[in-house]
Amino acid sequence: GAVVSQHPSWVICKSGTSVKIECRSLDFQATTMFWYRQFPKQSLMLMATSNEGSKATYEQGVEKDKFLINHASLTLSTLTVTSAHPEDSSFYICSARELAGSGADTQYFGPGTRLTVL
Amino acid sequence: GQNIDQPTEMTATEGAIVQINCTYQTSGFNGLFWYQQHAGEAPTFLSYNVLDGLEEKGRFSSFLSRSKGYSYLLLKELQMKDSASYLCAVKDSNYQLIWGAGTKLIIKP
Repeated sequence: GAVVSQHPSWVICKSGTSVKIECRSLDFQATTMFWYRQFPKQSLMLMATSNEGSKATYEQGVEKDKFLINHASLTLSTLTVTSAHPEDSSFYICSARELAGSGADTQYFGPGTRLTVL
Repeated sequence: GQNIDQPTEMTATEGAIVQINCTYQTSGFNGLFWYQQHAGEAPTFLSYNVLDGLEEKGRFSSFLSRSKGYSYLLLKELQMKDSASYLCAVKDSNYQLIWGAGTKLIIKP
């Protein structure tokens, strides 16, 4: 089946530093990748939609200058949390959608990255 | 606005059957997904419905009625490992996934 990896799986950083999270589709090409954030006991919140070779589309309320997204290839998207603060501590999950023709057009999720900002 | 409703929490007994309901009101409909999410982990895909009816996949089945804006996920022969949150998500007219808050399923021996 479709596999999506995320790295790192967890990270602890100091306030004010930047953190980069990588999302890779391992056995399929993904024209579109999604970045979600999930706070404890809450549902997934879509942050942005990333299309290969173009600028990401951010959801309302998500600061594009703070959460930098790069989707340089069909198998890799990165999310950089710049100048992280404690309130950015969360579980960040990426998902990747297979190219058209897969019927269900299912999103496959990476294992998530738990970010703790001290 | 767009809305997905599912119960917050359900409890069931090992070996039994449980049905988790999901109702939705969205701008357009292009399919409904069910995902399973264990605590501290990312969601995993369970099922996809785009036409009315029942889709069976092993112990799990998913039903859709588009006219009623309603779906359910049926879990049979419950196992302790089925304890997880179950997320209902609908793809709207813009092919955007709208997520429900999830149903936490607790399985008791």
